[in-house]
Amino acid sequence: AQSVSQHNHHVILSEAASLELGCNYSYGGTVNLFWYVQYPGQHLQLLLKYFSGDPLVKGIKGFEAEFIKSKFSFNLRKPSVQWSDTAEYFCAVSRRNAGNMLTFGGGTRLMVKP
Amino acid sequence: NAGVMQNPRHLVRRRGQEARLRCSPMKGHSHVYWYRQLPEEGLKFMVYLQKENIIDESGMPKERFSAEFPKEGPSILRIQQVVRGDSAAYFCASSPEAGRSDTFGSGTRLTVV
Repeated sequence: AQSVSQHNHHVILSEAASLELGCNYSYGGTVNLFWYVQYPGQHLQLLLKYFSGDPLVKGIKGFEAEFIKSKFSFNLRKPSVQWSDTAEYFCAVSRRNAGNMLTFGGGTRLMVKP
Repeated sequence: NAGVMQNPRHLVRRRGQEARLRCSPMKGHSHVYWYRQLPEEGLKFMVYLQKENIIDESGMPKERFSAEFPKEGPSILRIQQVVRGDSAAYFCASSPEAGRSDTFGSGTRLTVV
């Protein structure tokens, strides 16, 4: 069975600091990779996704992620966070051609101090 | 495009009662997925349905839980004889075809008292 690990459960940053959230998955086959964000009291929103092609993926709101196949990683980055980025971030993986069910990591709560 | 609509947003049930959660997928989406988010945990897959068919229910508890996606109308997640441990946020997602990214609804927060 596949699993997704997010190393940091809680991250606190000051505005303008750089962000990197780790995500590793365990599955040897072909995968689709996603990062979702959940603002307080709201539903999940897709930040970015990787299906194939350039392993450096640009998403919304200045976020990007890099797929490193050899490390089974898909880390999320943002060069300069804002207070409005305070939210919970979820990495998710689905197996290609297997129904697209998502396996989520446990989430990382990001708090950005103004 | 109204997005994925879930209702109710909040549902309170006493132990032993039934909970019915509804999900209307985005227009044109025929694939529906239900996920459960327990307090302080990530989302866990429950069931994947297409119109009138359950494709994968490997994440569903074996008892008390059922799901359907009829030809007409919303997908329904039904929990019979609820217990305190069923308290969670239940999210529905839809996609136009398998292998595409999902659009999530706002969720139903079930509280069992």
